[in-house]
Amino acid sequence: DAGVIQSPRHEVTEMGQEVTLRCKPISGHDYLFWYRQTMMRGLELLIYFNNNVPIDDSGMPEDRFSAKMPNASFSTLKIQPSEPRDSAVYFCASSLDHRSYNEQFFGPGTRLTVL
Amino acid sequence: RKEVEQDPGPFNVPEGATVAFNCTYSNSASQSFFWYRQDCRKEPKLLMSVYSSGNEDGRFTAQLNRASQYISLLIRDSKLSDSATYLCVVKARGGTYKYIFGTGTRLKVLA
Repeated sequence: DAGVIQSPRHEVTEMGQEVTLRCKPISGHDYLFWYRQTMMRGLELLIYFNNNVPIDDSGMPEDRFSAKMPNASFSTLKIQPSEPRDSAVYFCASSLDHRSYNEQFFGPGTRLTVL
Repeated sequence: RKEVEQDPGPFNVPEGATVAFNCTYSNSASQSFFWYRQDCRKEPKLLMSVYSSGNEDGRFTAQLNRASQYISLLIRDSKLSDSATYLCVVKARGGTYKYIFGTGTRLKVLA
């Protein structure tokens, strides 16, 4: 079975450009999570969806970040305009439901570098 | 104070050694607890959940102390392949449920 799929795997862009990260969760999973990982701050939850509906976006750093989930098999995280401090690894994860001990399955991540 | 705190390490241990990591959490309403493993430049993967009564999976033992708000991971008979970063994860409710990750503890097992 395919796991969580993310694209692109690497992105290098210049400050001010729009960046779109994509995620396909595991089929049948009701929850989708976007995380950002940096050396300084570790893994931070940005936003999560339940059945395509955003539930908690309190981790989204500012208005430059937006996320959508138009259907159960696709989500995007957009940064516009991008800044050098957005450089990080962005992970998408999905889980079956929200029962206490359900595992989160992570995608391979998108390594973003903003010059 | 961070919601989930871990010693960043690195812990450098010889093969065959026993090593233990601790993690403390600040939210007493935390519901579920996990250890994830992350290899260099890879995604995190679930190592084991941590149950109230403690649990074991082969060489790995996890313990939870709700009164003191910490969880631990013990690795016996360390292997070279155990070298990784170990992330402590707490699922807590603060309006909505969230998974809070520690920044991780690096382990290097030396030949």
